[in-house]
Amino acid sequence: AQSVTQPDIHITVSEGASLELRCNYSYGATPYLFWYVQSPGQGLQLLLKYFSGDTLVQGIKGFEAEFKRSQSSFNLRKPSVHWSDAAEYFCAVGASGTYKYIFGTGTRLKVLA
Amino acid sequence: ETGVTQTPRHLVMGMTNKKSLKCEQHLGHNAMYWYKQSAKKPLELMFVYNFKEQTENNSVPSRFSPECPNSSHLFLHLHTLQPEDSALYLCASSQDAGSNQPQHFGDGTRLSIL
Repeated sequence: AQSVTQPDIHITVSEGASLELRCNYSYGATPYLFWYVQSPGQGLQLLLKYFSGDTLVQGIKGFEAEFKRSQSSFNLRKPSVHWSDAAEYFCAVGASGTYKYIFGTGTRLKVLA
Repeated sequence: ETGVTQTPRHLVMGMTNKKSLKCEQHLGHNAMYWYKQSAKKPLELMFVYNFKEQTENNSVPSRFSPECPNSSHLFLHLHTLQPEDSALYLCASSQDAGSNQPQHFGDGTRLSIL
């Protein structure tokens, strides 16, 4: 069965520091992979997605993610974090032939001034 | 993003009340979804509609009753809810139903059951 693990429940970084949020998935074939961000009081917004091709994908707000098949990972990165990036980040996996995403439990990011 | 609008934003109801949540999308999408978001739990998919037809019911209790009169509107009718149903209910839409489709979310309805 598919599963998604976000091992870090909370992460705190200083403004201007680099960021990496981890996501590991379990799925037999190449999955569809997504990162979403949720700011307080709002719904989820798509940051980026990976279906196939180049394993480094660029998204909005300066985020990127790298698909590593050998590690079953799809980690989200940003070279320099801004205070406005404080939010909760969700990794999601979609299996071909279904209607469903499986979401991870999320990582809450705190940014220190 | 205002492509998906949910009303009301907040709802407090007693266990014996009947209320409805509304979702409207202005993106021309064909698929709509209801999710439940509870603290410390992953988002739970409740229902999927594609071209107004329900394609997924993720073992949701019958006290939750969805309605999709057209591809732009989705309702969730609530009756005889339990305290554990208190959560954020999110509506989403996508161009078509499928796990390869990016989903666009509304800001949710925060539901509190007394």
